[in-house]
Amino acid sequence: EVKLLESGGGLVQPGGSLRLSCAASGFTFADFYMSWIRQSPGKAPEWLSFIRNKANSYTTEYNPSVKGRFTISRDDTQNVLYLQMNTLRAEDTAIYYCAKHPFDYWGQGVMVTVSS
Amino acid sequence: DIQMTQSPPVLSASVGDRVTLSCKASQNINKNLDWYQQKHGEAPKLLIYYTNNLQTGIPSRFSGSGSGTDYTLTISSLQPEDVATYYCYQYNSGPTFGAGTKLELK
Repeated sequence: EVKLLESGGGLVQPGGSLRLSCAASGFTFADFYMSWIRQSPGKAPEWLSFIRNKANSYTTEYNPSVKGRFTISRDDTQNVLYLQMNTLRAEDTAIYYCAKHPFDYWGQGVMVTVSS
Repeated sequence: DIQMTQSPPVLSASVGDRVTLSCKASQNINKNLDWYQQKHGEAPKLLIYYTNNLQTGIPSRFSGSGSGTDYTLTISSLQPEDVATYYCYQYNSGPTFGAGTKLELK
């Protein structure tokens, strides 16, 4: 059974940093592209970033809204996906999901609140 | 950026109705479009991929169609468990989700 479990969310002050993790199981993690997607309360989902697999050199893509502030990475030895979030703003408040490409499996999400 | 416009924003329908949800892209997205269903408090669920391919485990009453800039999700016979918000998602360029259509029972 495919499982994706996000962690690392919480309350952070504006300008602060947070690192999210997504522990994957039930599939060959190293073979798949992985994404982070967020959803602000009452809004549509917003794709943030994806990372390709080793065969595609672990290259990454970012939404312009987070490029330069967020960094996606992965550890295929531990089956974990990461999202390092820096210089956080109030508008980054959302539920953050990890998803296996082609978005056929999503985690349950983790809440990030940016507030003073 | 490619903008995705979903209509209507809210749709009320009765059990058994044929329901059609629309998604219009601001430019040709070459059928690179998925549909997702999201129920309250849950993560989105993939229903249809690449315009018209039914994801494994999804009931056959769901279908997708379209090309170019115009795409449609159809539910052939609405069931109570289909109450949800539906999002289209294009991945042709700079992936974006539509704003969603909230489907309610009349």
